[in-house]
Amino acid sequence: DVKVTQSSRYLVKRTGEKVFLECVQDMDHENMFWYRQDPGLGLRLIYFSYDVKMKEKGDIPEGYSVSREKKERFSLILESASTSQTSMYLCASTGSGVSGGGVEQFFGPGTRLTVL
Amino acid sequence: QKEVEQDPGPLSVPEGAIVSLNCTYSNSAFQYFMWYRQYSRKGPELLMYTYSSGNKEDGRFTAQVDKSSKYISLFIRDSQPSDSATYLCAIGDAGGTSYGKLTFGQGTILTVHP
Repeated sequence: DVKVTQSSRYLVKRTGEKVFLECVQDMDHENMFWYRQDPGLGLRLIYFSYDVKMKEKGDIPEGYSVSREKKERFSLILESASTSQTSMYLCASTGSGVSGGGVEQFFGPGTRLTVL
Repeated sequence: QKEVEQDPGPLSVPEGAIVSLNCTYSNSAFQYFMWYRQYSRKGPELLMYTYSSGNKEDGRFTAQVDKSSKYISLFIRDSQPSDSATYLCAIGDAGGTSYGKLTFGQGTILTVHP
């Protein structure tokens, strides 16, 4: 059974704190993604990684950074958390399929982050 | 203009109704079309995907794609309370540098009441 796990289901942090969200997949997938999900806005891509130590910005990278030191693990870092970063954060992974791109993205259960 | 537009609803229907969920997209390079279902407090899960224009059926679910109009739909027949969830359309480009990226619609919240 394929699995994507995220380090926390719920997290409460204070403004200005450094926040780490971790994601681990057990499918040997090359590609991993971080999204945030907000009501009425859907899933918005923050960053993705297509290989160890390789990363690319998504649509809303400001205020975030990422790290991928091992193939199975992809971390999202909020350098200085702000209240505007209160959201649901979802991690996903996919393998290399047709023409270098995967098809199905497998999602973790999400981390509900509240920044006070 | 967003690349993928989806009516966020919410949509509330009685059990047994036929449900129609729709998305439009603007990028002709998109090559595959997907519907994800997300239950409350869970991550999205793939429901259906297709590469071509036309209809694809899976039980009570039918995915329809019209590439000429850049319009995709998901139909649910004989809807059940267990279908209550958020439905997200997702569209992707299978090009060599796409790395499996998907562009998601805003999601439609569906409630099927008994």
